[in-house]
Amino acid sequence: GAVVSQHPSRVICKSGTSVKIECRSLDFQATTMFWYRQFPKQSLMLMATSNEGSKATYEQGVEKDKFLINHASLTLSTLTVTSAHPEDSSFYICSALGSGTVIQYFGAGTRLSVL
Amino acid sequence: GENVEQHPSTLSVQEGDSAVIKCTYSDSASNYFPWYKQELGKRPQLIIDIRSNVGEKKDQRIAVTLNKTAKHFSLHITETQPEDSAVYFCAAINTGTASKLTFGTGTRLQVTL
Repeated sequence: GAVVSQHPSRVICKSGTSVKIECRSLDFQATTMFWYRQFPKQSLMLMATSNEGSKATYEQGVEKDKFLINHASLTLSTLTVTSAHPEDSSFYICSALGSGTVIQYFGAGTRLSVL
Repeated sequence: GENVEQHPSTLSVQEGDSAVIKCTYSDSASNYFPWYKQELGKRPQLIIDIRSNVGEKKDQRIAVTLNKTAKHFSLHITETQPEDSAVYFCAAINTGTASKLTFGTGTRLQVTL
């Protein structure tokens, strides 16, 4: 299947700092990318949908000024957690959808720990 | 919008036995139903999917059945092995009007020796 690369895999930061997570589709062009958050032993919670070249669509309850999403190219989307706080600690996963397909391929996830 | 319910939340089976996970969906227009397997701390991986024009699909020890009338679909794993232990998520989507999947709450499968 298609490959989606996500970096970093693990990040520990101090409260108040910003963290950027990258999601890349390595062997296909991703017209749409998704960002999820997953708490321990819970399902994937969709945070936002990003389409290349346009503003991201955020799910209800997700602060767009807190979680900045940029999808500047067909192979790269970034999620920036601004002014991170301990309650932002979680597992963040991206997925990518290629043009003309319904299959989503997931990145390996980023475990964020805010001290 | 779509709502997907998944049962059971946890399932323990002995190695060699079969495991069945069931999901129901609310939007009768949903037409694509993938199943993902997620090992601890890893990415969800697509293991099988089914479209609404098919009632059953098999891939070795894994099968998925779809009942459109009742709006439910199930994952069947036969001859379970310890490496099948993971969390399994079902999902549904109407590919004609939406791009985002609606996931079930997950089933933690434990295969014991």
